[in-house]
Amino acid sequence: QKEVEQNSGPLSVPEGAIASLNCTYSDRGSQSFFWYRQYSGKSPELIMSIYSNGDKEDGRFTAQLNKASQYVSLLIRDSQPSDSATYLCAVREGAGNMLTFGGGTRLMVKP
Amino acid sequence: KAGVTQTPRYLIKTRGQQVTLSCSPISGHRSVSWYQQTPGQGLQFLFEYFSETQRNKGNFPGRFSGRQFSNSRSEMNVSTLELGDSALYLCASSLASGGQGGTFFGQGTRLTVV
Repeated sequence: QKEVEQNSGPLSVPEGAIASLNCTYSDRGSQSFFWYRQYSGKSPELIMSIYSNGDKEDGRFTAQLNKASQYVSLLIRDSQPSDSATYLCAVREGAGNMLTFGGGTRLMVKP
Repeated sequence: KAGVTQTPRYLIKTRGQQVTLSCSPISGHRSVSWYQQTPGQGLQFLFEYFSETQRNKGNFPGRFSGRQFSNSRSEMNVSTLELGDSALYLCASSLASGGQGGTFFGQGTRLTVV
């Protein structure tokens, strides 16, 4: 049974701070890793993808991958109230596009 | 470029009925996947279609089925609806087979079974 684990939160950070979201996965065969943002009542929106060990930066977002530790993280710099949402970690094996999702972390950014 | 389009957005059905949901992927995307999202179980994979063939299947009963047409559009069918089938059903579109490409979701169909 492949598992993706996230702390459900809520994670509360003040506006302007760095939010750090974490995810662990059980399947060592996983090759692709994604972060989605989901606002209440909306569908998930892809915000970051990462495929190799290390850091990947895109604007205020940085994804970090450590395959040896089976750990993925998402850093959000200069957090804004509009970043308040549930962040979903998803993992994909090599073939096909089947994603296994974590339960999501609810982030609250307080003005 | 248009995103993933799902119809209808909302549905109310009675137990025992069946339902068909439709999905049009992003233009050029050949892979379509379906997911069920509920507060208790989160996002769960139903199945994936690529080039009109089911490539992956999740752990759902046979009442859940799907198909993909030659234009990559997909439909999902649920027969003999149960109360527990009430959920947000999400269609997702991907360019091809794995690789370095993302998966993009439609707005979803909110199904309520009464």
